Amino acid sequence: DAKTTQPPSMDCAEGRAANLPCNHSTISGNEYVYWYRQIHSQGPQYIIHGLKNNETNEMASLIITEDRKSSTLILPHATLRDTAVYYCIVRVGEQAGTALIFGKGTTLSVSS
Amino acid sequence: NAGVTQTPKFQVLKTGQSMTLQCAQDMNHEYMSWYRQDPGMGLRLIHYSVGAGITDQGEVPNGYNVSRSTTEDFPLRLLSAAPSQTSVYFCASSFGDGRADTQYFGPGTRLTVL
Repeated sequence: DAKTTQPPSMDCAEGRAANLPCNHSTISGNEYVYWYRQIHSQGPQYIIHGLKNNETNEMASLIITEDRKSSTLILPHATLRDTAVYYCIVRVGEQAGTALIFGKGTTLSVSS
Repeated sequence: NAGVTQTPKFQVLKTGQSMTLQCAQDMNHEYMSWYRQDPGMGLRLIHYSVGAGITDQGEVPNGYNVSRSTTEDFPLRLLSAAPSQTSVYFCASSFGDGRADTQYFGPGTRLTVL
């Protein structure tokens, strides 16, 4: 799986959009970009994933650059409950026996 | 759906004791796995299963056993607990059929070995 680079921490005001960047310059053509988050002491939670096109669901939007070397996760209206560690992961579709490699992620702190 | 459930939530063991961490899912997922997460570190894969009756080792399997007699359940057994096994254990499941789907994680079991 390709490696990713994320800033260690970010701050965001409640109600504002949180834009979390991720660099994955060595991504292969068949690798997806996944985002998970881990709220303190809880199990990781899937947020969104994409291959080439931008994606949106009820939680977030994922913007992938045309060359696929970077992406941005957007939480449109951050709340205090969005405070968590966010992980950007690139990998081929589900493969048995291959672990999700979470890395250090970005700690997002949302404040009122 | 309850999703992925794990029991117990907390457990304290003495060195040398054995125990079983329970994991169950009600999403008819074929793929299930166990991870451990140590402070300040990412999750590491212990064992996984691609379906009932099939299990295999992950990155850190020593000291743990698993079995998969049903699609729903995937228990993790600690044979003889050691302080190095103090960690938070997460169970995860997914369809695991090669599609770009997602893994669903349980709430975790926090294990302390004295």
